[in-house]
Amino acid sequence: AQSVTQPDIHITVSEGASLELRCNYSYGATPYLFWYVQSPGQGLQLLLKYFSGDTLVQGIKGFEAEFKRSQSSFNLRKPSVHWSDAAEYFCAVGGWTDKLIFGTGTRLQVFP
Amino acid sequence: DSGVTQTPKHLITATGQRVTLRCSPRSGDLSVYWYQQSLDQGLQFLIQYYNGEERAKGNILERFSAQQFPDLHSELNLSSLELGDSALYFCASSGTFAETQYFGPGTRLLVL
Repeated sequence: AQSVTQPDIHITVSEGASLELRCNYSYGATPYLFWYVQSPGQGLQLLLKYFSGDTLVQGIKGFEAEFKRSQSSFNLRKPSVHWSDAAEYFCAVGGWTDKLIFGTGTRLQVFP
Repeated sequence: DSGVTQTPKHLITATGQRVTLRCSPRSGDLSVYWYQQSLDQGLQFLIQYYNGEERAKGNILERFSAQQFPDLHSELNLSSLELGDSALYFCASSGTFAETQYFGPGTRLLVL
């Protein structure tokens, strides 16, 4: 079955600290992987994506993610979190059918 | 701003009623997707259209229907509304198969 698991429902970090949000997927074919961010009352903004090639991908706002096929993971990282990064983060997987399958999201809280 | 527009932003209606949500994709994008975001179900794919034709169907209720018009805008029709239909409805667009989906700001539907 196709699925995305984000094991952390809620993460709290201090401003300036590093961040890693976990994402594991189950997908029968070559996955296309995405991270989206949703601020309160807002839509989904694309942070980064992986289709093929270099397994470490850079995104906007200083985020990066690493695709690890052996672990079926696509974890999101940021070396130093800013207060404006507080939001909900969604990992998603897609493929030939093009629909996106989303994880349940991780809510990030940033303390000053 | 993703370039995808959705109207209205908010909609309040009563059970049993019918509403229409509208989506205009990014300029040049042929694919339109509809997603529902609710507290209990998370982000769920509903339906996809490509250049006016239905391409994929997800967890869309029979009370719901959609279409894509020749100018590529799309409408999602929700009828016989129930309390449980209250959710945030997103539209996304992409250029061709397997490309990135860009999301609109969503329509928040409240059924009373």
